[in-house]
Amino acid sequence: DSGVTQTPKHLITATGQRVTLRCSPRSGDLSVYWYQQSLDQGLQFLIQYYNGEERAKGNILERFSAQQFPDLHSELNLSSLELGDSALYFCASNLAGREQYFGPGTRLTVT
Amino acid sequence: QKEVEQDPGPLSVPEGAIVSLNCTYSNSAFQYFMWYRQYSRKGPELLMYTYSSGNKEDGRFTAQVDKSSKYISLFIRDSQPSDSATYLCAIHKAAGNKLTFGGGTRVLVKP
Repeated sequence: DSGVTQTPKHLITATGQRVTLRCSPRSGDLSVYWYQQSLDQGLQFLIQYYNGEERAKGNILERFSAQQFPDLHSELNLSSLELGDSALYFCASNLAGREQYFGPGTRLTVT
Repeated sequence: QKEVEQDPGPLSVPEGAIVSLNCTYSNSAFQYFMWYRQYSRKGPELLMYTYSSGNKEDGRFTAQVDKSSKYISLFIRDSQPSDSATYLCAIHKAAGNKLTFGGGTRVLVKP
């Protein structure tokens, strides 16, 4: 167990809908990273927050947004969902350094 | 061309054999190297982290980095059926915030 928690474990929703994924980092970690894992694209970095501020952006669609709250938990919001957004979404955390510790993921199914 | 290339496998070995995994990368700015293990539908678990050329050993696992050839390897000695998983290499630049992942190699250790 990495100490990173994610909820929900599984989400099933319809196209056009909006969902929110939640992540709590390891105790003491200030950075949260979001990744998307699909069969054809592998693990892709979406966005990083450090102590409440956006620090880096990757291949994140404009329909997606994230934030990190004062208690350091983070939420990833996905809107106007498309079939192609079906994937595993992971969050990872660290305090400093390069190694990142991943949560168990949220499996999103868009029908 | 992807920044990090990894043979997808599957790689099937008998129990007790040595598993040999590798990744190649194209960007010399990559300086920090990690190996993650991912069981089906679970989050990636950090196995090894290294930043210098040469070998690093941890129990049955040995990570090897050759920066001159832009080639990294992971060896698993005395493989067990519980080692059956997908192994992902992940690389971090000296500057920047994200991990760039290989596509993963699926390993199957047969009893």
